[in-house]
Amino acid sequence: EVQLVESGGGLVQPGGSLRLSCVASGFTFSSYWVTWVRQAPGKGLEWVANIKSDGNEKHHVDSVEGRFTISRDNAKNSLYLQMNSLRAEDTAVYYCARGGAGYSFGRRYFDYWGQGIVVTVSS
Amino acid sequence: QSALTQPASVSGSPGQSITISCTGTSSDLGTYDYVSWYQQHPGKAPILMIFDVSNRPSGVSNRFSGSKSGNTASLTISGLQAEDEADFYCSSYTSSGTYVFGTGTKVTVL
Repeated sequence: EVQLVESGGGLVQPGGSLRLSCVASGFTFSSYWVTWVRQAPGKGLEWVANIKSDGNEKHHVDSVEGRFTISRDNAKNSLYLQMNSLRAEDTAVYYCARGGAGYSFGRRYFDYWGQGIVVTVSS
Repeated sequence: QSALTQPASVSGSPGQSITISCTGTSSDLGTYDYVSWYQQHPGKAPILMIFDVSNRPSGVSNRFSGSKSGNTASLTISGLQAEDEADFYCSSYTSSGTYVFGTGTKVTVL
């Protein structure tokens, strides 16, 4: 059974940092693109970042470029999102999802999602 | 990258068919056949319903179907059931190697 489990969320002050993690199981993690998607309270889904299976290609949405960095450790079946210089507008539920290939070959959709982790940016 | 445009709400009676539209640009779904649709119940993670415009993952009811014409994609739900009441989002691959989601549509079963 494919599972994605996020952790690392919580309350952080504006300007602070947080590192989200997502541990995958039930599939060969090192063979798939993976993606972060977020959803602000009462709002729609927003694509945040994706990373290729080998980590050699990654993309970020403009609104987080230079502040957030996606990375992965295939030996640990883990996906990360380092979030720096956090703003109130980054408050959201953050989901990791399997899929979402960039320029390189892969599934251009998100077929499995984690349960989400809450990030709140507030003083 | 601006969000794809969806109607805020669509409603129908049980057994009826409804269609949700999703309008993009030539930088996303107008050029690429990588449109997917997601169903999200309150407080839950999204679920993939349609991928690559019109393909259904195993386990998804054949009451759900997708199509695309020009810059607009559509999701049709036939034989509407109470359990279909949820938010629906479209998504498209873009020319930048990124993705954009739709604004979301709340489906109400009357």
